[in-house]
Amino acid sequence: EPEVTQTPSHQVTQMGQEVILRCVPISNHLYFYWYRQILGQKVEFLVSFYNNEISEKSEIFDDQFSVERPDGSNFTLKIRSTKLEDSAMYFCASSEDWSSSYEQYFGPGTRLTVT
Amino acid sequence: GQNIDQPTEMTATEGAIVQINCTYQTSGFNGLFWYQQHAGEAPTFLSYNVLDGLEEKGRFSSFLSRSKGYSYLLLKELQMKDSASYLCVSMNRDDKIIFGKGTRLHILP
Repeated sequence: EPEVTQTPSHQVTQMGQEVILRCVPISNHLYFYWYRQILGQKVEFLVSFYNNEISEKSEIFDDQFSVERPDGSNFTLKIRSTKLEDSAMYFCASSEDWSSSYEQYFGPGTRLTVT
Repeated sequence: GQNIDQPTEMTATEGAIVQINCTYQTSGFNGLFWYQQHAGEAPTFLSYNVLDGLEEKGRFSSFLSRSKGYSYLLLKELQMKDSASYLCVSMNRDDKIIFGKGTRLHILP
């Protein structure tokens, strides 16, 4: 069964450093998403992406964040200058099309630890 | 604005039935989903409702009342592996997605 993959599974970085989290969505999916979940808290929507552009973003997704689909398979989330409060699990998700955007398939997540 | 309320924790017995309620306030409401999340894992999709009524999928059913801003997830014939958090999630017409804090369900043998 096709699945969303994410690398790395765990990333440790120092405050102020840039990080890039990588995701490979399911190959025929057209909509891509990033979420984060701070330990013990709820899942929070960051951004959705379609047709090579951001379709929606939350208040959390400020200028420190950016997303890119550099080639036909990868979907990346970049945090320019990490802060301690960026420590969280980051989930990538994808869905087949807009009409089934509710049925999102989540990757296993990347645990980001900022020290 | 957007807000989702669901109980923090619930306990039920193996083989029993449990109903997890969710109320939401979502402007431009365009659907409600339920996801399951085991500790340390990613959420997995369970169900989706956009019209009033009950959607049944095996042991799991989900109900929606748009006029009341209310949904529930019904789990039948509970199994130990159903111990997880259940996330109520709303979406509006601008594709804004809001997750509830989740209901942690404990299953007792």
